[in-house]
Amino acid sequence: ETGVTQTPRHLVMGMTNKKSLKCEQHLGHNAMYWYKQSAKKPLELMFVYSLEERVENNSVPSRFSPECPNSSHLFLHLHTLQPEDSALYLCASSPHGGTVTEAFFGQGTRLTVV
Amino acid sequence: GNSVTQMEGPVTLSEEAFLTINCTYTATGYPSLFWYVQYPGEGLQLLLKATKADDKGSNKGFEATYRKETTSFHLEKGSVQVSDSAVYFCALSDYNQGGKLIFGQGTELSVKP
Repeated sequence: ETGVTQTPRHLVMGMTNKKSLKCEQHLGHNAMYWYKQSAKKPLELMFVYSLEERVENNSVPSRFSPECPNSSHLFLHLHTLQPEDSALYLCASSPHGGTVTEAFFGQGTRLTVV
Repeated sequence: GNSVTQMEGPVTLSEEAFLTINCTYTATGYPSLFWYVQYPGEGLQLLLKATKADDKGSNKGFEATYRKETTSFHLEKGSVQVSDSAVYFCALSDYNQGGKLIFGQGTELSVKP
């Protein structure tokens, strides 16, 4: 039990589809993150939310749209993706957004765009 | 900007061998340093951390020492086990850069019986 749960674990979608990834944490943390993990590359930080407010958006294409309705839930809405968007998408949380002393990760969603 | 560089994998060792995975960093301030581990099919888990120069982080037989003079945080274990097979990520968090975690590219370790 990691405390951070992601659904679905696997997702295959066409380039014209719309889907959403969900992340839920029960650790009482105030900050949540989306990372993209591609083979042979460093983890890429996509979005940071602190106290439900987006504080960072690292030049991510608009076909990725995050949503944080409350401090326990984080979504990543996907539409008109490209095959190069296929990757493992990891959600993480930490107690505070200012200085990360430890981040807790979910198991990830393996996304394949066909 | 801040960055982390790890040795390329995969690293393949026999059980009970000595492990070193090199990690060096670039940072403008005084970052905290971390090693995370990712077992197959899982998310990342914190393995150990060090928050200031000369600190040694340790956990499950793994150790790493924060070396400011060489900007390094190499991961070591004296005797690896098959169950240590995983991908290991070095990371830093710098308060002066917003405190977010910046990761290296990961090093895959495979331990054979």
